[in-house]
Amino acid sequence: QVQLVESGGGVVQPGRSLRLSCAASGYTFSSFPMHWVRQAPGKGLEWVAVVSYDGSNKFYADSVKGRFTISRDASKNMLYLQMNSLRPEDTALYFCARDTDFDHWGPGTLVTVSS
Amino acid sequence: QAGLTQPPSVSKALGQTATLTCTGNSNNVGDQGASWLQQRPGHPPKLLSFRSTTRPSGISERFSASRSGNTVSLTITGLQPEDEADYYCSAWDRSLSVSVFGSGTKVIVL
Repeated sequence: QVQLVESGGGVVQPGRSLRLSCAASGYTFSSFPMHWVRQAPGKGLEWVAVVSYDGSNKFYADSVKGRFTISRDASKNMLYLQMNSLRPEDTALYFCARDTDFDHWGPGTLVTVSS
Repeated sequence: QAGLTQPPSVSKALGQTATLTCTGNSNNVGDQGASWLQQRPGHPPKLLSFRSTTRPSGISERFSASRSGNTVSLTITGLQPEDEADYYCSAWDRSLSVSVFGSGTKVIVL
């Protein structure tokens, strides 16, 4: 069965960097686009970024453009989110999700940006 | 990047029918339709329907979706206590090359 598991979250000071990972299993990873979606405490879902099935196309929300980079490694079935210049408003539970329709989700990893 | 418009909450009695709406524009919902996601407290979202009307395997027939122009609707029949959750719509915006989510509708089962 399809399984997505995020890792790499934690507490980080404003201005610092963090890299999130998402391990995918149970399907052909290189056949589907992958997203990062975040949810601030008590708030709704916010789309962050998407990478195409082959990694050739990447799109970002305006709120993270220029600071975050999405990437994938087909040889390891891994999705990544490099987050630089972190701000307090980036504090959220970060989910990875599969495909255009978000048909499978991981449990999320919590990122807290605070001094 | 403006999101999709959803009412904040819908309250219905046990066993009744709830209809949720999600409105976008011709570049997102009106282009390729939208998906519906259910999120129960403390859990990640779960896909209920995609391409506006298609229900994934394993999703109860009590959930049905439709689209009319730039608006998609999710109908939940025979409301059960476990249907109490937040419901989000999502769509790809072809003009902005971004995914957009609705602000979510909280379904309350009385």
